[in-house]
Amino acid sequence: QSVLTQPPSVSGAPGQRVTISCTGNSSNIGAGYDVHWYQQLPGTAPKLLIYGSSNRPSGVPDRFSGSKSGTSASLAITGLQAEDEADYYCQSYDSSLSETWVFGGGTKLTVL
Amino acid sequence: EVQLVESGGDLVKSGGALRLSCAASGFTFSKAWMSWVRQAPGKGLEWVGRIKTKSEGGTTDYAAPVKGRFTISRDESKNTLYLQMNSLKTEDTAVYYCTTVEQWLLRALGYWGQGTLVTVSS
Repeated sequence: QSVLTQPPSVSGAPGQRVTISCTGNSSNIGAGYDVHWYQQLPGTAPKLLIYGSSNRPSGVPDRFSGSKSGTSASLAITGLQAEDEADYYCQSYDSSLSETWVFGGGTKLTVL
Repeated sequence: EVQLVESGGDLVKSGGALRLSCAASGFTFSKAWMSWVRQAPGKGLEWVGRIKTKSEGGTTDYAAPVKGRFTISRDESKNTLYLQMNSLKTEDTAVYYCTTVEQWLLRALGYWGQGTLVTVSS
């Protein structure tokens, strides 16, 4: 059971927009800690997609965007492409135990 | 170009020990926080632990499931990160990734290695 909750799967047709939620609590996202998103293509290592809730590292297309409100964060992907099919993970810091970083359980995006 | 190359993964019996290495290049290793993340077969990502720079005391922190059994260390002379794993359990079976922690990216895990597989048998 992950501290951050993500839907197990989402899907969309090419060209559509999808969103992936990441729900935490007052010890992590709700406490104001940064949320980061990672993309893991099949058979590869994860890659940083969004940092600080809404910032894109150099090279990440602007089809990917992030937001945060209250105890939740979201990743939006517009203009879906076949190559976006991957697993997506959110990550934040949790102050309820010792200094700990936590991941969401991951969301499998299927492009129909 | 930043490169992180993990090695040392192997098949080991429950209760055994293993040391993973991560050779870093393409950035100033001594100035970087580093971390380990693992992924059990078919499962999600799990943070294992993190080490700060030597100048910051090389402070380490660990996830609860590995605390007291795993130790992260670093060797600046070799630009290498280590993960010493003792008292291994079957649930430690996973691909282990070495990552950088990018301060300028609000401590996101900026670069990842390709991973090394650790299999713990009963």
